Amino acid sequence: QKEVEQNSGPLSVPEGAIASLNCTYSDRGSQSFFWYRQYSGKSPELIMSIYSNGDKEDGRFTAQLNKASQYVSLLIRDSQPSDSATYLCAGRCGGGNNRLAFGKGNQVVVIP
Amino acid sequence: NAGVTQTPKFRILKIGQSMTLQCTQDMNHNYMYWYRQDPGMGLKLIYYSVGAGITDKGEVPNGYNVSRSTTEDFPLRLELAAPSQTSVYFCASSSRDRDEKLFFGSGTQLSVL
Repeated sequence: QKEVEQNSGPLSVPEGAIASLNCTYSDRGSQSFFWYRQYSGKSPELIMSIYSNGDKEDGRFTAQLNKASQYVSLLIRDSQPSDSATYLCAGRCGGGNNRLAFGKGNQVVVIP
Repeated sequence: NAGVTQTPKFRILKIGQSMTLQCTQDMNHNYMYWYRQDPGMGLKLIYYSVGAGITDKGEVPNGYNVSRSTTEDFPLRLELAAPSQTSVYFCASSSRDRDEKLFFGSGTQLSVL
């Protein structure tokens, strides 16, 4: 099993709708989770980090962490065309090393 | 306000050639990383460094080498380039605080033909 998995295919949402992205992880020791946004041809940029169970909101973005079920999600409210990008989930591996494991990403397309 | 600077942005290599990808950061970050990203895939860690003089292997180190002689610089060396090394390479750095935000360079598109 991969350390961080994002299995959903491309997500198309109409402008103004909610985009929901999910990510699961295999290492129960993982403590820190991150969502990076990557526009086509550009480098990733951090949009959310979450460390505790529950929800964390930042503007139109909400990250959710459920350690018992080992999943992380990202909600994008009031989706805008500028949200069209690939979203990468990342989790810090346990075992004392410094490595972040990335999922393969989910492409989001917001349709005007 | 440069952040993480990578050079070159594009490069085409022939099989068996060697090259060095340069990475410099001006944020005084201790932690630096090299990732590769294949089409439709996430980032895979090649090598990382927790400070000058200290490097360690990531998930996919074969065919690559690194050095970290200064805090600022973290070059990635490709020896005997192979088509499997065709990818986009990203250098990143972080201060390794709790937020653990990675600052990425703009990437290097490498093709090995």
